[in-house]
Parts: sequence; structure tokens; C-alpha cells
Amino acid sequence: ETGVTQTPRHLVMGMTNKKSLKCEQHLGHNAMYWYKQSAKKPLELMFVYSLEERVENNSVPSRFSPECPNSSHLFLHLHTLQPEDSALYLCASRPQRGRGETQYFGPGTRLLVL
Amino acid sequence: GIQVEQSPPDLILQEGANSTLRCNFSDSVNNLQWFHQNPWGQLINLFYIPSGTKQNGRLSATTVATERYSLLYISSSQTTDSGVYFCAVAGGSQGNLIFGKGTKLSVKP
Repeated sequence: ETGVTQTPRHLVMGMTNKKSLKCEQHLGHNAMYWYKQSAKKPLELMFVYSLEERVENNSVPSRFSPECPNSSHLFLHLHTLQPEDSALYLCASRPQRGRGETQYFGPGTRLLVL
Repeated sequence: GIQVEQSPPDLILQEGANSTLRCNFSDSVNNLQWFHQNPWGQLINLFYIPSGTKQNGRLSATTVATERYSLLYISSSQTTDSGVYFCAVAGGSQGNLIFGKGTKLSVKP
């Protein structure tokens, strides 16, 4: 248990569906991240939120839309996804005191797009 | 950007054996972490070790920042050590991690 939770843990969706992934952290951190892990690529950054503002969008397609309503919650809204978007989506958080702190990861949402 | 390379990509051990996993990185870093990813996908923090040596039970890690590498040692391996081990360094302005491709470890009984 890392203090970072994600729901749902598994999701199957069609290409025309709209769904949302949720991440919640109870560590008092104020930087949160979405990472993607697909079968053929290393873990890669999608979005960074610091103090609830998006500070980096790592050239992610617009069919992925993040939302950070407060420092404890992070969402990833999904619409019109493609089968190649099937992957493990991981959320992480860390304190906002500079670059040298440990990141803690949630258990991930395993997404399958049909 | 920073490149992170891990070796070996795959490792099969008999229970009780020792092993060393290596992580090379292409630029100076002030954040290096080792993770173990279990079969269900959870990334478990093992070490935050930008430099020096740390030990936690059967696991220890050493980072030589001036030579841009880190080593993870697993002693007396157990079947529960199986999984993928990732090295990651902070590479972005907001501390986001850049991951290596991992070492897949299989420990046989």
C-alpha cells in the first residue's frame, strides 16, 4: 500500500465510449503524474500536475484529457480511444519541494480498447 | 534527453542465488529510484538512491553518480522476488521519471 489509489483497476471499452480513470493520494503531496506502460515501450510520462496546474503535456493525443480538481485527486478522461491505447495507466505523486523526492505509484488501471 | 539503460534484460535464477542488476544513465541526475513491478502491475519503491549505498534486508543498492551507473543487489533470492525491476531517473523540469526498459527476473524454486 503506497498511499496512492486508482480506480477502476481494469477497464474494457469500445472505441466510441467515454470513460474516466481516477487517482487519489493521501500523502499530502502536491505534484501528480500520469504515466503509460504499453507492451512494447518503457514507462512514459503523459501529464504532470503541480499545485493543481498542468505544467507539462508530453505530446499526448487530445483523446486523453487530464483533470486535477485538487491536490489529492487526478483524473484521466478518455474518449474515442484506439486499440493501440490499450495499456497500463499509472498514477504517481510526490511532494513539491524540488526534483529530488521519491515518487509513489498507484496500482494502475489496466485498459483494453476493443 | 537522458537515456537510461538496464542490463541484463532477462535473468533466471535458482532460489537462493545472488544477482546484480545494472542501470546506466547518460547524464548527471539528482534523483534515481529502483522499483519492483509485481505481476499485477504495482510499482513498489525499493530505493531512492541518487548516490551512495543503501541496504534493506536482502536488497542493497549502490549509485556511483560520477560514473553514471547504479547497481541493485539481490541476495538469497526467493520466488517472491520475481517480477520486473526498473531503474528511473528524474529527467524533466517537474521531476518526472525517465524509466529504463527493466530487468525481468524469474526465480525458480
